[in-house]
Amino acid sequence: DAGVTQSPTHLIKTRGQQVTLRCSPKSGHDTVSWYQQALGQGPQFIFQYYEEEERQRGNFPDRFSGHQFPNYSSELNVNALWLGDSALYLCASSLESGGTYEQYFGPGTRLTVT
Amino acid sequence: RKEVEQDPGPFNVPEGATVAFNCTYSNSASQSFFWYRQDCRKEPKLLMSVYSSGNEDGRFTAQLNRASQYISLLIRDSKLSDSATYLCVVNVGSSASKIIFGSGTRLSIRP
Repeated sequence: DAGVTQSPTHLIKTRGQQVTLRCSPKSGHDTVSWYQQALGQGPQFIFQYYEEEERQRGNFPDRFSGHQFPNYSSELNVNALWLGDSALYLCASSLESGGTYEQYFGPGTRLTVT
Repeated sequence: RKEVEQDPGPFNVPEGATVAFNCTYSNSASQSFFWYRQDCRKEPKLLMSVYSSGNEDGRFTAQLNRASQYISLLIRDSKLSDSATYLCVVNVGSSASKIIFGSGTRLSIRP
């Protein structure tokens, strides 16, 4: 049973550049959420995708956008990178109809902006 | 006031001790509650969901107090491998659309 996978594991970008992170949900899951985790902080909710649409969004600017594909995998795009975007980006999947809303996380992508 | 608040710790306790964490939440309409464990530089892993009646899983016991809006996690007979950051998580929606993480409580178990 494949768990949540993310790619790449590490990424170094320069301020102003754009980045795309990818996530494949746990087998059987249909909902993908993205989180940003700064050092020493809990994960901060960016947005959630279900049925290929953004369903809920946290307090993040429009520079952060995403997409969900028919196979439930998802991408997170960040434009015009700031130094402050350096963080661990976590993808979590869940099953909407499961009723428990338990989320399972991927290993994350560590983004460094220089 | 943060939506979900935890004592950041660190808690430094000897092996075999019992340790308890509390977490408070501000939204009385919160629906679901969880504890996650996160090891250094790793992803959070679901430790347990927290049910209204309280629940136990081996050495771990979770309690929910809706009236006072807090959840707790009790770890009995702590092991060195319990050293980690424990994240309190609250779902403030009627679906999985808005899940709020606390900043975590660091636990260090010493031999």
